[in-house]
Amino acid sequence: AQKVTQTQTSISVVEKTTVTMDCVYETRDSSYFLFWYKQTASGEIVFLIRQDSYKKENATVGHYSLNFQKPKSSIGLIITATQIEDSAVYFCAMREGAASGSWQLIFGSGTQLTVMP
Amino acid sequence: NSKVIQTPRYLVKGQGQKAKMRCIPEKGHPVVFWYQQNKNNEFKFLINFQNQEVLQQIDMTEKRFSAECPSNSPCSLEIQSSEAGDSALYLCASSGDWGYTGQLYFGEGSKLTVL
Repeated sequence: AQKVTQTQTSISVVEKTTVTMDCVYETRDSSYFLFWYKQTASGEIVFLIRQDSYKKENATVGHYSLNFQKPKSSIGLIITATQIEDSAVYFCAMREGAASGSWQLIFGSGTQLTVMP
Repeated sequence: NSKVIQTPRYLVKGQGQKAKMRCIPEKGHPVVFWYQQNKNNEFKFLINFQNQEVLQQIDMTEKRFSAECPSNSPCSLEIQSSEAGDSALYLCASSGDWGYTGQLYFGEGSKLTVL
């Protein structure tokens, strides 16, 4: 069964530093898609970045990048030069490929990031 | 800002009452999902649509929950008889990808409180 695990419940950092959030996943599918979202205090969920399992290169978007370690089933999110407004709950999520027959996006439990001045 | 529009933002209902939430997916997105997020931030998939057709739904949805995505009208999720355990944030999301690969774009959610 597919599963996404985020072990870090909360992280606090000082602004302008780099933070890494961990995520491990379980799937039997050879093709899958990994995503990171953030949920702001208002409840809005914003898509940040994705990694397709067949791509070897780590994805990068703005100050977000991924550390994809396929043999370890790990997809870490790295935020460089953090800003106060990066404070939010960050969710890792996975979708399996067509062979699974499942359309769902499976979420981890989230990591609360607090960026302090 | 979110392009998936959900209304209302807040709902307060008594036990046994109906609760109805609406969602306008992002323009051109054929795939719509409904999720329930509880106070522990856990997401529970409820149902999804491709255009007007249900693709997948959980057992809970088949009983007290009903949902539809009619053409040229907002999608909706309705709880026929609300229970205290239904108190949660109900999230609608859409995807422009017909397949399994696309990311979802979420609305701001409808927060349901059942007294």
